[in-house]
Amino acid sequence: EIVLTQSPGTLSLSPGERVTLSCRASQSINSRHLTWYQQKPGRAPRVLIYGSSSRAVGIPDRFSGGGSGTDFTLTISRLEPEDSAMYYCQQYHISRTFGQGTKVEI
Amino acid sequence: QVQLQESGPGLVKPSQTLSLTCTVSAGSISSGDYYWSWIRQHPGKDLEWIGYIYYSGSTYYNPSLQSRVSMSIDTSKNQFFLNLSSMTAADTAIYYCARESTTFGARLWDFWGQGTLVTVSS
Repeated sequence: EIVLTQSPGTLSLSPGERVTLSCRASQSINSRHLTWYQQKPGRAPRVLIYGSSSRAVGIPDRFSGGGSGTDFTLTISRLEPEDSAMYYCQQYHISRTFGQGTKVEI
Repeated sequence: QVQLQESGPGLVKPSQTLSLTCTVSAGSISSGDYYWSWIRQHPGKDLEWIGYIYYSGSTYYNPSLQSRVSMSIDTSKNQFFLNLSSMTAADTAIYYCARESTTFGARLWDFWGQGTLVTVSS
């Protein structure tokens, strides 16, 4: 099983700040097989970034993704209050697994 | 746009089998571009993929749950189903159905149901 480890666990930030979330895989994965989801309380997850760097439909350009091999990142360039949420990375290189999530508080 | 809705019991006794239904509306479950998935979220917020079924009936299950999982599909009713046997307290979770799309050059879950909480307790 590919284990995804996200860091940090929780972030408390201010509007307008820039933040980078990390996702590290236990083995190398194809960058096309890495997806980021956002989840707000009481809601299902929503896809943000697929193929490690492509924004999903309707996602603002302040969200960007990158990385390769075992290290991937999600960057939010200018935090908005509505970005308060859990963020999960997910891989489908082998089966499908999720990271444990990073909580972003604005 | 496509909508998915889970239905089933909110309470299951230990050792029993959980049976859930996902009804898809505003879209055909028979499209070859999509795989129909079940995902769960434990109370501690961890997300776990359970498996998916294709319109043809082919399946792919999480290896850690494979011995207890079965999925089926009814294209005439635009529904797919999850059975999870030998339920224990560790299976208490919110269960989501979701559509896995292949139309973006990558695989992603683009539409989700609202989720249904299943509690395992005697």
